Amino acid sequence: EAEVAQSPRYKITEKSQAVAFWCDPISGHATLYWYRQILGQGPELLVQFQDESVVDDSQLPKDRFSAERLKGVDSTLKIQPAELGDSAMYLCASSLISGTGVQETQYFGPGTRLLVL
Amino acid sequence: GNSVTQMEGPVTLSEEAFLTINCTYTATGYPSLFWYVQYPGEGLQLLLKATKADDKGSNKGFEATYRKETTSFHLEKGSVQVSDSAVYFCALRVNAGNNRKLIWGLGTSLAVNP
Repeated sequence: EAEVAQSPRYKITEKSQAVAFWCDPISGHATLYWYRQILGQGPELLVQFQDESVVDDSQLPKDRFSAERLKGVDSTLKIQPAELGDSAMYLCASSLISGTGVQETQYFGPGTRLLVL
Repeated sequence: GNSVTQMEGPVTLSEEAFLTINCTYTATGYPSLFWYVQYPGEGLQLLLKATKADDKGSNKGFEATYRKETTSFHLEKGSVQVSDSAVYFCALRVNAGNNRKLIWGLGTSLAVNP
């Protein structure tokens, strides 16, 4: 069964350092999502791509976060500089586009757990 | 606006007990409804879904029925196992427009004791 791949699974960094997370969606899934999940809470959408284009980044803290999906396949989420409050699980998900142009069910990767010291 | 309300946890049960996790929603139009499960230290997994009223989603012994009249999608399992210990998230997706975000509940933690 095809899965969304993410790496690394765990990352520990010091505040003010740069970190990057990678996501490879399920093959053929045009839509890719990055979520942040703080412990004990539900996921918060950070950015949504359709192919290589950003569809929604309204909740992305753009002063320190950036995301790209240059070839419309895999994606990288970067934080620079990291802050203590960025400690969270970062989840990637992907979904198909239906024949009518809408996103279908989202499938999630295992996540990257970030700890900022 | 669109929203999802889940029962607060944690829920603690003994093995083989009956499980119900309540989920109600507010939405315009006719949303699709989902239950996702998150095992400790892992990402979210789709557990089941229903796309129209009276649909029943089922998987791994879990069931949920899309009740439009009560705007509910309660998750049930007849006999829980220790391995079902996880956090369960109810979510909806409004089926209007091309950008169909998931709206999430806050999650309900389930602990099953042997």
